[in-house]
Amino acid sequence: TQLLEQSPQFLSIQEGENLTVYCNSSSVFSSLQWYRQEPGEGPVLLVTVVTGGEVKKLKRLTFQFGDARKDSSLHITAAQPGDTGLYLCAGDSGGYQKVTFGIGTKLQVIP
Amino acid sequence: DVKVTQSSRYLVKRTGEKVFLECVQDMDHENMFWYRQDPGLGLRLIYFSYDVKMKEKGDIPEGYSVSREKKERFSLILESASTNQTSMYLCASQGARQRFFNEQFFGPGTRLTVL
Repeated sequence: TQLLEQSPQFLSIQEGENLTVYCNSSSVFSSLQWYRQEPGEGPVLLVTVVTGGEVKKLKRLTFQFGDARKDSSLHITAAQPGDTGLYLCAGDSGGYQKVTFGIGTKLQVIP
Repeated sequence: DVKVTQSSRYLVKRTGEKVFLECVQDMDHENMFWYRQDPGLGLRLIYFSYDVKMKEKGDIPEGYSVSREKKERFSLILESASTNQTSMYLCASQGARQRFFNEQFFGPGTRLTVL
C-alpha cells in the first residue's frame, strides 16, 4: 500500500499570514491531486499536477510537484478565513482507478 | 458542472438495522467509489465499481455491500449496522475518459450515527 504523509496535521494561523503544507511519499506518482474539504462537506478538487517540477497557481494558492514525482507542496499567500478547511492530497501510481489519500492538513485561519 | 448527490446528509440508525446509502451522479461516469472518513484515519476505500453490476472490494469491505444496477447510481448497504460504523460516508465518481484519469468528484457526504 502506498502511503501519502501530510504535514503538518494541524495549522492555525492569523489572517494575512503565509503557509506551506506538504505531501510526501516514498512512491512515485503519475499524478497528484489536491482537494479542499470544508466541515460537513465532501472534498472539492483544487488541482492536478502531473509533470515533475510542475508549478500551478490558483489565485493565492501555489502547488508544486517534486522533480521525482514523490512529493508535493501547497503554498497559500495571505491566507483568508475562507481558506479554512481540510487540505487533502491524493495520488496514484498509474494503477487501475484507485487512488491513495493522505490524512490531510486541517487549516484554521483566524480573522 | 459535475454533480454527485447523496441521499441523506445526516442519518441516525440503531444497532442491527439495515442501512442504505445512495449516491447518484449526472456525469455519465463509469467509476464510482464509497469511502468512509474518520478522524486520524483519513479516507478509506470501502468498495468501488467500474461498470454497471461490477464491483470490487476496497481496503475495508467487511460489514458492507454495494449495488450498482444503473450507471448513475451506486448504493452502499450496511447489512447490520454496528456502532463502529458511525462515520462520514463519501461517494465519489470518476470518468474513464476524463483528461486526468484519477480525479474524483465527491458528493456532500452522509454523516451516519449508529446508536
